[in-house]
Amino acid sequence: GAGVSQSPRYKVAKRGQDVALRCDPISGHVSLFWYQQALGQGPEFLTYFQNEAQLDKSGLPSDRFFAERPEGSVSTLKIQRTQQEDSAVYLCASSLARLAGSYEQYFGPGTRLTVT
Amino acid sequence: GENVEQHPSTLSVQEGDSAVIKCTYSDSASNYFPWYKQELGKRPQLIIDIRSNVGEKKDQRIAVTLNKTAKHFSLHITETQPEDSAVYFCAALYSSASKIIFGSGTRLSIRP
Repeated sequence: GAGVSQSPRYKVAKRGQDVALRCDPISGHVSLFWYQQALGQGPEFLTYFQNEAQLDKSGLPSDRFFAERPEGSVSTLKIQRTQQEDSAVYLCASSLARLAGSYEQYFGPGTRLTVT
Repeated sequence: GENVEQHPSTLSVQEGDSAVIKCTYSDSASNYFPWYKQELGKRPQLIIDIRSNVGEKKDQRIAVTLNKTAKHFSLHITETQPEDSAVYFCAALYSSASKIIFGSGTRLSIRP
């Protein structure tokens, strides 16, 4: 079946612009995660959804970052008034369901955001 | 706090030799430890994982060991091949939340 997909794959934004990054999880996966990966670093947790509920947003670096998953499937990560330090690869991952004992997370290809 | 330390940051081994990457974690309640392989410009790929009720797990040339008492876990790759060259990340699931915390990565290079 289809894996996790993300769009756009690449995004260049001028400082101060708003951006929206989309994630399509694997069909039927209850849990969805967003990560930020800076060059040469491991993915850093941003936020987590179970269905449409955002259960953990402790990793969002500032109130300029906002994520939603209104129907429990597709998710959007929005960054307002982008800054140069926001430049990174934004990875989305989905998982069947933690409550079902399934912890495995499968990643999308990422969106590489460059803020100029 | 939530932390996963990974060593070494770079590792170069002769083709056919073994490679070992080690990680430590801080939350004694963590119960799930995945390993991901990431090639340049690609997504992280889950290669093996281990749960806290198991001490060792093997899948062909890859094995992972877990020492819950010491809060250590390790990845072992035997008979390394050129296609094993990549960045490897260990990670731990923090049970207090649903977040997976990643190590900083090990860049593995296989010398022909």
